[in-house]
Amino acid sequence: AQSVTQLDSQVPVFEEAPVELRCNYSSSVSVYLFWYVQYPNQGLQLLLKYLSGSTLVKGINGFEAEFNKSQTSFHLRKPSVHISDTAEYFCAVTPGGSYIPTFGRGTSLIVHP
Amino acid sequence: SQTIHQWPATLVQPVGSPLSLECTVEGTSNPNLYWYRQAAGRGLQLLFYSVGIGQISSEVPQNLSASRPQDRQFILSSKKLLLSDSGFYLCAWSVTSGSSDTQYFGPGTRLTVL
Repeated sequence: AQSVTQLDSQVPVFEEAPVELRCNYSSSVSVYLFWYVQYPNQGLQLLLKYLSGSTLVKGINGFEAEFNKSQTSFHLRKPSVHISDTAEYFCAVTPGGSYIPTFGRGTSLIVHP
Repeated sequence: SQTIHQWPATLVQPVGSPLSLECTVEGTSNPNLYWYRQAAGRGLQLLFYSVGIGQISSEVPQNLSASRPQDRQFILSSKKLLLSDSGFYLCAWSVTSGSSDTQYFGPGTRLTVL
């Protein structure tokens, strides 16, 4: 079985500041890694995913994430946030060959002007 | 392109009443379908998933049930709602590709049980 830990339930940050949202996972098999964003009262949208290859993955809206196998982490970063980035962010892992993801509990990113 | 629809968008129901939430997907064939529940301040809880017509797997025992009468239709039901059934219900689909599945979510249904 696998598990996902999002270490921060809430991250407040000022506009134009950098941000990092942390995600750690545990799994006995290789996994695929995802970040999703959820704006208020909407469904989730895919931000980016890591399947294989380069450990630095670039996604939509200027976000990127780095897969670190030794630390079993997949932290999400953005060098300069906007007010519109205020949302809930979910990290998810899917074991190779499975179609059932495990989601973290989410991190609420709050961008202040 | 693929789209996913959920309805209704919001629903207020009394305790003990029945429930039917519908999800349909367009633009793809034989998708994997999922029902999630998101309670306030909590993450996503997978309720049911389906890999084909009539094939339903339940992840959490509860008073909810799911059905897949057509390839791209997924229905969440209950005979008698409980207060604890309140939450935000999300339907999602995926298609297995290279052994990894990206999930595509619908807009959700906000259910309040009073």
